[in-house]
Amino acid sequence: QKEVEQDPGPLSVPEGAIVSLNCTYSNSAFQYFMWYRQYSRKGPELLMYTYSSGNKEDGRFTAQVDKSSKYISLFIRDSQPSDSATYLCAMSAGNNRKLIWGLGTSLAVNP
Amino acid sequence: SAVISQKPSRDICQRGTSLTIQCQVDSQVTMMFWYRQQPGQSLTLIATANQGSEATYESGFVIDKFPISRPNLTFSTLTVSNMSPEDSSIYLCSVEVGGTDTQYFGPGTRLTVL
Repeated sequence: QKEVEQDPGPLSVPEGAIVSLNCTYSNSAFQYFMWYRQYSRKGPELLMYTYSSGNKEDGRFTAQVDKSSKYISLFIRDSQPSDSATYLCAMSAGNNRKLIWGLGTSLAVNP
Repeated sequence: SAVISQKPSRDICQRGTSLTIQCQVDSQVTMMFWYRQQPGQSLTLIATANQGSEATYESGFVIDKFPISRPNLTFSTLTVSNMSPEDSSIYLCSVEVGGTDTQYFGPGTRLTVL
């Protein structure tokens, strides 16, 4: 079993839809949770960062962490064609330990 | 955050040759990382490079194949040695900022080995 599981998709939605992206993990020591967005032929870009459990909102994006279920989510409201990208989750146990990455979910938002 | 640049952005190389990739950061950082991302795959950590110490390599990666230099707090290089077609990949450098384990990435170097 991988430490982090993420459905690679692809996920295709119409413009304006609410998108839900998810990762599950097995290591209960993980405390830092991140979502990265990667456009084609670009490096990953940090989108959201959450420490421990709870929600964090930034514009159309909401990151949610449920440590009891070992489950994290990224919600995108009013999705736009410019949101079409691969979304990667990453997490770590802190103390400068390395990030553990999901496979990434490919998202296409159709106009 | 940090602004990171990489050179070259892409290259096509012959089997058996070596390529050195440069990574420049706009601020001083302690930890720099080198990743490989193969087509359709997630990121695989090659090594962690701290200034003033030897790089720490992940399982499956060795210094003879991927030598790394870290001469100061804003710069690092990764060399891909004795290349084969299996080394064709995107190579990314990243830095950790703020002590929260969040990493910021360069744009990547797209390497094709013929």
